[in-house]
Amino acid sequence: KQEVTQIPAALSVPEGENLVLNCSFTDSAIYNLQWFRQDPGKGLTSLLLIQSSQREQTSGRLNASLDKSSGRSTLYIAASQPGDSATYLCAVSGTYKYIFGTGTRLKVLA
Amino acid sequence: GAGVSQSPSNKVTEKGKDVELRCDPISGHTALYWYRQSLGQGLEFLIYFQGNSAPDKSGLPSDRFSAERTGGSVSTLTIQRTQQEDSAVYLCASSPHRGGGATDTQYFGPGTRLTVL
Repeated sequence: KQEVTQIPAALSVPEGENLVLNCSFTDSAIYNLQWFRQDPGKGLTSLLLIQSSQREQTSGRLNASLDKSSGRSTLYIAASQPGDSATYLCAVSGTYKYIFGTGTRLKVLA
Repeated sequence: GAGVSQSPSNKVTEKGKDVELRCDPISGHTALYWYRQSLGQGLEFLIYFQGNSAPDKSGLPSDRFSAERTGGSVSTLTIQRTQQEDSAVYLCASSPHRGGGATDTQYFGPGTRLTVL
């Protein structure tokens, strides 16, 4: 049974700092891995999707990496801003079903 | 274009009552998912619809939960005889699902916050 773990559960950093969020999964037989952002009271917004054949994806200040063999992904956020404050969720997919981690709650202090 | 919409945004009900939650997916998306997010927990998969195929109901927690998708578009999640542990945010997502596995991103609605008193 696939299990997804995110560390840390919460993180508070000063504005401008670079930071890394971690995601690990137990079954390496995945189709893709996706990082989402969730703002309080809102749904999820997709940030980056990495296909199983890829090793990383970049969008603006965000870079996500995937190491299937070790069951790990990282989300790197450069030059963090207060607007980045949110909960970040990673999810891995089998044939069609996504299994989500419990998220990392990020707070960027101005 | 319009995203995934859900209604109501908030629902407060009494224990034992039935509730219906609605999801309008993005037009043309063939795949539709329901998830539940309890306080401090990750998203829990409930049910998956793909085109005219039989839905995957493996995530439904009990037989009090059911869902249907009419005409391949709008979906309704019904919870009968609600219990306090059903209190959560229910999220709906849709995906183009062009085939070959879950290679498409999922687009989420804002969710329905259900509170059972």
